[in-house]
Amino acid sequence: GAGVSQTPSNKVTEKGKYVELRCDPISGHTALYWYRQSLGQGPEFLIYFQGTGAADDSGLPNDRFFAVRPEGSVSTLKIQRTERGDSAVYLCASSLGGQGGTEAFFGQGTRLTVV
Amino acid sequence: TQLLEQSPQFLSIQEGENLTVYCNSSSVFSSLQWYRQEPGEGPVLLVTVVTGGEVKKLKRLTFQFGDARKDSSLHITAAQPGDTGLYLCAGSYAGNNRKLIWGLGTSLAVNP
Repeated sequence: GAGVSQTPSNKVTEKGKYVELRCDPISGHTALYWYRQSLGQGPEFLIYFQGTGAADDSGLPNDRFFAVRPEGSVSTLKIQRTERGDSAVYLCASSLGGQGGTEAFFGQGTRLTVV
Repeated sequence: TQLLEQSPQFLSIQEGENLTVYCNSSSVFSSLQWYRQEPGEGPVLLVTVVTGGEVKKLKRLTFQFGDARKDSSLHITAAQPGDTGLYLCAGSYAGNNRKLIWGLGTSLAVNP
C-alpha cells in the first residue's frame, strides 16, 4: 500500500476484555515497530520485528501484551485482560530494515480506550 | 528516568518569530532523528543527524547535533502557522540502531 495502515482507528473496550490491533506495513518493508503513545508524551517502544521474528520485545510492559507477524508483513498486537492504564494511541511503523535505512514511516495509530 | 529531555515542553509564539527547541541526554547516541507529529497522525521524519557537530538545514529549519553526540537542537526561523505541531527527537545507540529512544516532545503553536 501507499503507507502504513492501522485498523481499527478507534477501539473502545471494557476492562478485562481482549483486543487485537492490526498493522499493515509499507510493501517491501522488512522492519516493523509497535509503539504506545500517551497524551502529551513521546512514543514508547514496545516491540520490533525484522521479518517474521521479534528482534526486540523488551518494551512490552507485561505478559498481557503479545505481538505476531507470521508472514513477515501484517502484524497484530494482542492485549489480554485489558486495564484502564492500557488506554493510549498504539502506533505502528515500518522501515526498509537491514541496510536499507532506518527511516520509520508511521501509521495514524489506533486509539484504544479501556472503560 | 527520561533518557532524552526536550525543552521547552510547550511553546506558543507569533508568526514570524524565531525559536529553538532542545534535546539533551547524558548518553551518547550513534544517530538522532527529529520528527514532527500533527494531531491524529503518526510522527513524520524531518532529519537524521549522525556526526558530532553536524548541521543540517531544511528550508527554515536548522538542525544541529552536539559535538559529543549527546544533544541536539532544532531552530526555526520566521515561524509560520503551518509549523504548529509536536516536535519529537529520538536517538539510537550504536549496536541497536533499530530501537529509537524518544523524548516527550515540544508542542509548538504558531499564532497568525
